[in-house]
Parts: sequence; C-alpha cells; structure tokens
Amino acid sequence: SQKIEQNSEALNIQEGKTATLTCNYTNYSPAYLQWYRQDPGRGPVFLLLIRENEKEKRKERLKVTFDTTLKQSLFHITASQPADSATYLCALVDAEYGNKLVFGAGTILRVKS
Amino acid sequence: ETGVTQTPRHLVMGMTNKKSLKCEQHLGHNAMYWYKQSAKKPLELMFVYSLEERVENNSVPSRFSPECPNSSHLFLHLHTLQPEDSALYLCASSREALAGYYNEQFFGPGTRLTVL
Repeated sequence: SQKIEQNSEALNIQEGKTATLTCNYTNYSPAYLQWYRQDPGRGPVFLLLIRENEKEKRKERLKVTFDTTLKQSLFHITASQPADSATYLCALVDAEYGNKLVFGAGTILRVKS
Repeated sequence: ETGVTQTPRHLVMGMTNKKSLKCEQHLGHNAMYWYKQSAKKPLELMFVYSLEERVENNSVPSRFSPECPNSSHLFLHLHTLQPEDSALYLCASSREALAGYYNEQFFGPGTRLTVL
C-alpha cells in the first residue's frame, strides 16, 4: 500500500543550527513534491515545490532535495530561529492517483534559543 | 492572511444538529477543496470542486454534504454527525484542480469542530 512517512517524534534543535526533516514515500511515483508549514490553529502554508527532475531547490534559508531513487525528500532550514518552530508537512502529487495532493502527517520542529 | 477565509472558526454541535461551514476565497482560483485534519493524522481530502463542479468525492459519508454555488464560495453542510467527526476542517483553493504544477494550495485557517 502507499505510504508517506515523516518523523512522528518532534525535532528539537538549538537556534542557529540546521534543521533537517525527512519525508519518505512508498509505492508512489510522484511528479512533484511540496512542503508546507502549519502553525497551531492555522491552515498549512505553502513553502516550496520540487519536481522529479530537480535534485535541489532553495528559497532563502530553506532547501529541499528530492531523491527518486531513495524515494525521499529532505527539507533543511539553515540558521534556524525560534520563529521556525511549527509543524512541517510534505505532500506529493502522483498522476496515477489523479494528481491529488497526498499529505504526510507532519513533523513538529522546535527551535530553542 | 492567505486570501481564504472560513467561518465559523469554532463550532460545537450535538449529534442531531444541522450546521454549515463556509469558505470564501479572494484569489480568483478555479478550484476549491475540503480537507479533514484529525490529531496526528495526515490531511484527508474530502471533496474537490473545479469551476463549481464536483470532481472528487473521496468516499465521504453522506452526513457531509458540500455545496459550491460559485467559484469563490464553498460550503460544507453537516447533519447527524458522530463524535469521531470532531476535527479541524480546512478549506483550500488553487488555480486549477488536480493539475500538477499548479497544485500549490492556499488554505484557510480552518473550523475546529467538536461533536458532542
């Protein structure tokens, strides 16, 4: 069966360090993968999209990689700040499943000052 | 502010009540979505509308009834819900429905629903 797995345990890091979040998928062949940020009591906010033929995408302090061989995407936040504390969701788009966005359950990131 | 608003933000209802959730998008998008988010679970897609036509119904129980009178407004009518329906209900919009690259979605703040 299809699965999208993100670390269910919260990631706690010190301010200034790089946070790395993992998204692994099984039995999908996504054309695109997206990352969203969700704060408590709010809807997700789109951060980055990466296509299957792109190895890496950057936006300011954010970097996403996409390895279709490992079936994995990594999401990095460099020079992390307490304001980066949130839940981060990965979502993929697979044409075989009607191009719907399929979400992982998310990983909580806590950045401590 | 993402350009997608939802009302009410919180709703408590009994199992015999009838209520409606409202969503409005100010982005000129053609597609609108309803998602259910339960604690520690992935977002579950419920319904998709493209230009006011329902294009996806993800095996959602009939006690949830969507309505899309125009491309800017989306409703979710609720009746005879169960306690397990308590969750955060999120509305989203995108430029096109189910269209790959343009599938970046803009979410509203959600309605926190509690069914007693």
